[in-house]
Amino acid sequence: NAGVIQTPRHKVTGKGQEATLWCEPISGHSAVFWYRQTIVQGLEFLTYFRNQAPIDDSGMPKERFSAQMPNQSHSTLKIQSTQPQDSAVYLCASSRQGYEQYFGPGTRLTVL
Amino acid sequence: QQKVQQSPESLIVPEGGMASLNCTSSDRNVDYFWWYRQHSGKSPKMLMSIFSNGEKEEGRFTVHLNKASLHTSLHIRDSQPSDSALYLCAASPNSGTYQRFGTGTKLQVVP
Repeated sequence: NAGVIQTPRHKVTGKGQEATLWCEPISGHSAVFWYRQTIVQGLEFLTYFRNQAPIDDSGMPKERFSAQMPNQSHSTLKIQSTQPQDSAVYLCASSRQGYEQYFGPGTRLTVL
Repeated sequence: QQKVQQSPESLIVPEGGMASLNCTSSDRNVDYFWWYRQHSGKSPKMLMSIFSNGEKEEGRFTVHLNKASLHTSLHIRDSQPSDSALYLCAASPNSGTYQRFGTGTKLQVVP
C-alpha cells in the first residue's frame, strides 16, 4: 500500500498563472479530502468527495479554486490566477467511510 | 476565529515527563474528536480518536473527552524526544465528514 500519492511535491508559479495539483487516494477509500496548511492559518478544510461526488466545498475560495474527481483513482485541485496568498502546503487525505483519514505528503505551492 | 482552540501553543517537557495538551470546540455541532501528530516536514498522522465521554488509553497516550463542555485532552506519559512534533486536534459532526482543525500545540521533549 503506497498510501495517498500527491504530485507534484513542489510547485512554483508566477502570480496570475494556473496551478493543478493531483491526488491519488488509497485504493478502496471512498472519501477524498483537500486541505491546505499555512503557519498563520493552520490546517484549513477546502473540499471533499465521497464516491467521486462532491459533498462539501464550503472551504474553497469560489472564484479561483475548483476541484474534480473524474474517477475513483484520482482527484485534482485547480487554482486559477494564483496569488501570493495561495502559497501553502496543499494536503489530500482519503478514508474509508467512517474511518480515519490518511494524509498524503502534500504539495508545497509557492506563488512568486 | 478558530472554532477549535488548542492550548498551550507550545510546550516543553523533560524526557520521561508527562505532556498534557488541551482542545475545545466552540461549534456545538460536533460529536467526534481526533488527535494527530505531525513531525516537521511530514504530513499529519492520526494518533487517537474519541467520541464517547470518558477516557481512552493506547500505550503511553491517553485521551479524555467531556462532551458537555466539548473539551478533549491528550496526555503523553514517559515522553520521548521522538514525541517532539506538532499535535493537532480536530473535530467533526460525524466520523465520515471533513474535520475542522485547531492550530496545534508544538511539543518539544528535551533530554
